[in-house]
Amino acid sequence: DQQVKQNSPSLSVQEGRISILNCDYTNSMFDYFLWYKKYPAEGPTFLISISSIKDKNEDGRFTVFLNKSAKHLSLHIVPSQPGDSAVYFCAASAETSYDKVIFGPGTSLSVIP
Amino acid sequence: GAGVSQSPSNKVTEKGKDVELRCDPISGHTALYWYRQSLGQGLEFLIYFQGNSAPDKSGLPSDRFSAERTGGSVSTLTIQRTQQEDSAVYLCASSPGTAYGYTFGSGTRLTVV
Repeated sequence: DQQVKQNSPSLSVQEGRISILNCDYTNSMFDYFLWYKKYPAEGPTFLISISSIKDKNEDGRFTVFLNKSAKHLSLHIVPSQPGDSAVYFCAASAETSYDKVIFGPGTSLSVIP
Repeated sequence: GAGVSQSPSNKVTEKGKDVELRCDPISGHTALYWYRQSLGQGLEFLIYFQGNSAPDKSGLPSDRFSAERTGGSVSTLTIQRTQQEDSAVYLCASSPGTAYGYTFGSGTRLTVV
């Protein structure tokens, strides 16, 4: 049973526009959420995170929104750039096991110049 | 080292042979994780080591898979009697014991022919 879901396997966005990547989770114990970016032939790299005490965290062009009641989070990239083309993994962990992170299946983002 | 190092980067093996994949974590990181990513799939958790605690093997898909971590540092993932469905990218990550500090290696691409 997948605890972290990313229902869109792929997304295409025009350069300069907003990219919105969605993630849903089922485990109500999750209270820390992360986004990772992965280029081909490289390992995933940490992008941005959010604690459940917040509903928004912003870092430059990247903003993560958390809706705890809906068990939903999203990553917004504004403006999107061709270098943002990658696979984005949503991940979550629980206070009871902060060092074990559960990953979603990923969404492949293509930013078209 | 500066990052998580995995070797080999690519491995092609014949069905039925045993393979060993190596992970050298970031110095000082107490936690070490193995994941695999099959074609079109997300990151599947395999096994997790934390300090001197017994490893969490809950993600190992079968008894053909085993892993050890010697001296709290280098880890080896062993797959015995490989099958074609074992073909995947095997990713290692280490962390100082928190979800925030996860750092991945570049992975080993295993192809079983």
